[in-house]
Amino acid sequence: EPEVTQTPSHQVTQMGQEVILRCVPISNHLYFYWYRQILGQKVEFLVSFYNNEISEKSEIFDDQFSVERPDGSNFTLKIRSTKLEDSAMYFCASTVGDEQYFGPGTRLTVT
Amino acid sequence: EDKVVQSPLSLVVHEGDTVTLNCSYEVTNFRSLLWYKQEKKAPTFLFMLTSSGIEKKSGRLSSILDKKELFSILNITATQTGDSAIYLCAVDIEIKAAGNKLTFGGGTRVLVKP
Repeated sequence: EPEVTQTPSHQVTQMGQEVILRCVPISNHLYFYWYRQILGQKVEFLVSFYNNEISEKSEIFDDQFSVERPDGSNFTLKIRSTKLEDSAMYFCASTVGDEQYFGPGTRLTVT
Repeated sequence: EDKVVQSPLSLVVHEGDTVTLNCSYEVTNFRSLLWYKQEKKAPTFLFMLTSSGIEKKSGRLSSILDKKELFSILNITATQTGDSAIYLCAVDIEIKAAGNKLTFGGGTRVLVKP
């Protein structure tokens, strides 16, 4: 069964460093998303991406964040200058329009 | 502001018991309501509900949506220890230009004891 994959599974970085989280959505899906879940808190929407552009973003998704689909398969989330409060589980999801399928997540730890 | 609220926050039951989880919502541009199960990492999809009053069933799990009263319930009958997880309710909201986004509730943590 096709699935969304994410790399790395765990990333540790120092405050102020740039990180890139990578996702490979399901191949025929058209809509792509990033969510995050701070430990013990709700899953929160960050951004949606369709037709090579952002279609919606939340207040969390400020100028430090960017997304890109550099080729036909990868979908990346970049955090330019990480802060301690960016420590969370980051989930990528994709869909053709109905239910969203989630990847296994990348745990980002900012020290 | 879009809001999804789940109750109870957590519950502990014994194998064989039935559990009922609640999800209420207040959102604009409702498309559907989804239930997910989260064990260790990623939420895994259980149900998508779009119409009121039609029960969706999968094995021991079932769910129903009430679009007038703005809530959904998820039932698990004859619970097993493998049902222990956090159950997430999410509302799919239509976005202006294209696509959609999910707004999640805080989840209900279910622990099933042998």
